[in-house]
Amino acid sequence: EAGVAQSPRYKIIEKRQSVAFWCNPISGHATLYWYQQILGQGPKLLIQFQNNGVVDDSQLPKDRFSAERLKGVDSTLKIQPAKLEDSAVYLCASSSQGAGEKLFFGSGTQLSVL
Amino acid sequence: GIQVEQSPPDLILQEGANSTLRCNFSDSVNNLQWFHQNPWGQLINLFYIPSGTKQNGRLSATTVATERYSLLYISSSQTTDSGVYFCAPRGSSGGSNYKLTFGKGTLLTVNP
Repeated sequence: EAGVAQSPRYKIIEKRQSVAFWCNPISGHATLYWYQQILGQGPKLLIQFQNNGVVDDSQLPKDRFSAERLKGVDSTLKIQPAKLEDSAVYLCASSSQGAGEKLFFGSGTQLSVL
Repeated sequence: GIQVEQSPPDLILQEGANSTLRCNFSDSVNNLQWFHQNPWGQLINLFYIPSGTKQNGRLSATTVATERYSLLYISSSQTTDSGVYFCAPRGSSGGSNYKLTFGKGTLLTVNP
């Protein structure tokens, strides 16, 4: 079974530029999550989708971050414009209610904003 | 939201030693997961354990939901166990507690 796929693996941009990350969850997983992990900290939930609907986006900085999950499968997370403090690893995860909502993570995208 | 405290923050072991990692949380939970983040950054799900005890090889976990803590046991540690261990409970009371919230983690280093 294929795992959670994310791309790109690394991204370096300058502040005020825009960037987008892509995630393809495990086949059949209805729930998709985007987490932000700053160095030395645990992952922080940015947004959670159930199929193509948003369940929780309370910690998403909506003035600059946006996310979509069209057709309830893959998802993109966008930052526009980026700030220095957005430097972090962006992790995508998926889960299935049938498996107790156990989370499976992708390899992440390491973003550096200069 | 739910508060999560993990201890110890850092742990250094010799290969073959045993260890216990602790996770305290501030609210009743209906979901708790333990993860291992390896030195390359990949997060691996170790256990889904909202209550009771589970074992997987050299690792086992126990959650005492009524007392609001969970323990992760690592026996006969190996260098490949090195990395950060995260606990992530989800509160059962709804609202801002409902999301899976990660602790700050325990950084484990196993020396050969």
